[in-house]
Amino acid sequence: DAGVIQSPRHEVTEMGQEVTLRCKPISGHDYLFWYRQTMMRGLELLIYFNNNVPIDDSGMPEDRFSAKMPNASFSTLKIQPSEPRDSAVYFCASSSTRGAPRETQYFGPGTRLLVL
Amino acid sequence: KQEVTQIPAALSVPEGENLVLNCSFTDSAIYNLQWFRQDPGKGLTSLLLIQSSQREQTSGRLNASLDKSSGRSTLYIAASQPGDSATYLCAVTGSGGSYIPTFGRGTSLIVHP
Repeated sequence: DAGVIQSPRHEVTEMGQEVTLRCKPISGHDYLFWYRQTMMRGLELLIYFNNNVPIDDSGMPEDRFSAKMPNASFSTLKIQPSEPRDSAVYFCASSSTRGAPRETQYFGPGTRLLVL
Repeated sequence: KQEVTQIPAALSVPEGENLVLNCSFTDSAIYNLQWFRQDPGKGLTSLLLIQSSQREQTSGRLNASLDKSSGRSTLYIAASQPGDSATYLCAVTGSGGSYIPTFGRGTSLIVHP
């Protein structure tokens, strides 16, 4: 398996622009997580899905952030409009409650976002 | 609200030393605890996952223990090597149906030759 795939790997945009981050989880995994990592705040969970359904989005900073999972193999995290304080590394991770090892989280390589 | 603390924040040791990284959490009602490694500019790689009913897990030179009652976990690295240099994070997942993991800030480890 190719692991969790994220695109783009790097994104530089100007304040006010829309940003869309993409994630393909490991095939067969039923949980998908979006995280944000900054030096100031460390690693924060933004939202997670179970079987394509959003379960908890309490970590989403504000209405400018939205996430979707239209099917089991694809998820997006959108920021509209983007602001400089959104600059961070955004990780997607997936896990499975079936098979072994159960519930181990597998992370993608991340998207480094810089908002100017 | 669960809080996870990792001590020390940074550690520098000579090659060959055995070392212990610490993770503490405030709410002992956890579902599992996971240790990760993060190399600079990369994502997180899972090292070990301990379910709440377990006391320890081992993988190669790594051994992780869990003491739920005291809210502590340790990651033991035997015979450290320069290739072990990375940031090590622990994450605790709550019980009661909550699948939200809480991460510590990590311990940055440098193993010098």
